[in-house]
Amino acid sequence: EVQLVESGGGLVQPGGSLRLSCAASGFTFSSYSMNWVRQAPGKGLEWVSHISSSSSTIYYADSVKGRFTVSRDNARNSLYLQMNSLRAEDTALYYCARDNWDFDYWGQGTLVTVSS
Amino acid sequence: QAGLTQPPSVSKDLRQTATLTCTGNSNNVGNQGAAWLQQHQGHPPKLLSYRNNNRPSGISERFSASRSGNTASLTITGLQPEDEADYYCSAWDSSLSAWVFGGGTKLTVL
Repeated sequence: EVQLVESGGGLVQPGGSLRLSCAASGFTFSSYSMNWVRQAPGKGLEWVSHISSSSSTIYYADSVKGRFTVSRDNARNSLYLQMNSLRAEDTALYYCARDNWDFDYWGQGTLVTVSS
Repeated sequence: QAGLTQPPSVSKDLRQTATLTCTGNSNNVGNQGAAWLQQHQGHPPKLLSYRNNNRPSGISERFSASRSGNTASLTITGLQPEDEADYYCSAWDSSLSAWVFGGGTKLTVL
């Protein structure tokens, strides 16, 4: 069974940093691209970042470019999102999603709240 | 990054048919189509249809997707109470090198 479990969310002050993790199991993690997608409270889905299976191709949404860094460790079956210079508008539930041409599996999400 | 356009809400009667739309442009929906996701309150999204209009394993045949030009559609037949949810479309935008989502359609089953 495919499982994606996010962690690392929490309350952080504006300008602060957080590192999110996504632990994958039930599939060959190293064979799939992965994505981060976020959802602000009561709002729709917003794509954040994409990383290919070998980390050779990485994309970011304009809203996070230069502040967020996506990475992965295929040996540990884990995906990461380093978030720096956080803003109030980054407050959201952050999901990791497997990229099988489309987003076919999602985790439960980890909540990031940016507030003073 | 510009998103895809979906109507904010659709209401239909039980056992009727609902058709949800998603409009993009030639760089996204018109290029490779749109996927459809269903999200119930408090739960993560669930993939209903790939961009090639195929359903993942386990998805009911009541859900069918299609595309005409830059507009993708999701048709849900025989509406059930459990179909009440938010529905999102997603597409890869080749000019932006980015994934784009629609704003979501809240489907109410009366």
